[in-house]
Amino acid sequence: GIQVEQSPPDLILQEGANSTLRCNFSDSVNNLQWFHQNPWGQLINLFYIPSGTKQNGRLSATTVATERYSLLYISSSQTTDSGVYFCAVGGGRGSNYKLTFGKGTLLTVNP
Amino acid sequence: DTGVSQNPRHKITKRGQNVTFRCDPISEHNRLYWYRQTLGQGPEFLTYFQNEAQLEKSRLLSDRFSAERPKGSFSTLEIQRTEQGDSAMYLCASSWAWDTEAFFGQGTRLTVV
Repeated sequence: GIQVEQSPPDLILQEGANSTLRCNFSDSVNNLQWFHQNPWGQLINLFYIPSGTKQNGRLSATTVATERYSLLYISSSQTTDSGVYFCAVGGGRGSNYKLTFGKGTLLTVNP
Repeated sequence: DTGVSQNPRHKITKRGQNVTFRCDPISEHNRLYWYRQTLGQGPEFLTYFQNEAQLEKSRLLSDRFSAERPKGSFSTLEIQRTEQGDSAMYLCASSWAWDTEAFFGQGTRLTVV
C-alpha cells in the first residue's frame, strides 16, 4: 500500500514563530487532507488539497503531486495551534478510497 | 447539519464483554469509513461502506469485529469478546464520493480492563 511519511515528528515553537510541516507519499494520490487533532481526539479538517495551493487565515498548504509531497505552513503561531497534525492520502494502487495516515507531527507552541 | 456523530464518546468494559459503537454520518454522504487509532499513531483503516454495502474489510478487523450499515444510514461497529489490545480510539468518517473530502466524528475511546 501507499506509504506516508511526515516530518518533523516533533516541533516546539515560541508563540509568533512560523513553521513548515512536510508530508511525503510513495505513490500518486487522488485525495490528500491535512488534519489537526484536538486534545479530545477529534480530527479537524484543515485542507483538502490533492494538488495546488490553498490558504485559510494563518494556515496555507501546497501539494506538488508530481513530486509526491505536501507542505503545511503555519504563520504567527498561537498556543491554540498546539496538537498533532496529520497528513492523510487516498489513492495509489488498490483501494483508492481509504485514507492512509502518516504518524503525525506533534506541535507545541509555548507562550 | 451537525457533522458526523459517534456514540458513546467513552466506553470502559471488562475483558471478554461485547461492545457496540454507533456512527451517524453527514446525511447526504453515502460513503462511511471506520478507523482505529492507538496511542502515538495515526488512524488506521478498518472498513468501508458504500450505502449499505460493506466493500472492504482490513486485515486488522478480526473475526471478533463486525460492522453494519442497515439502509445505508447509521453504522454500528461491534466487538465481541473484547481483549486488552482492542483498547483504542475508534473513529468514523463519511464522504460524498470516494475521492472527496472526508469528515470525522469525535471518536469513541474504548478501554478494556
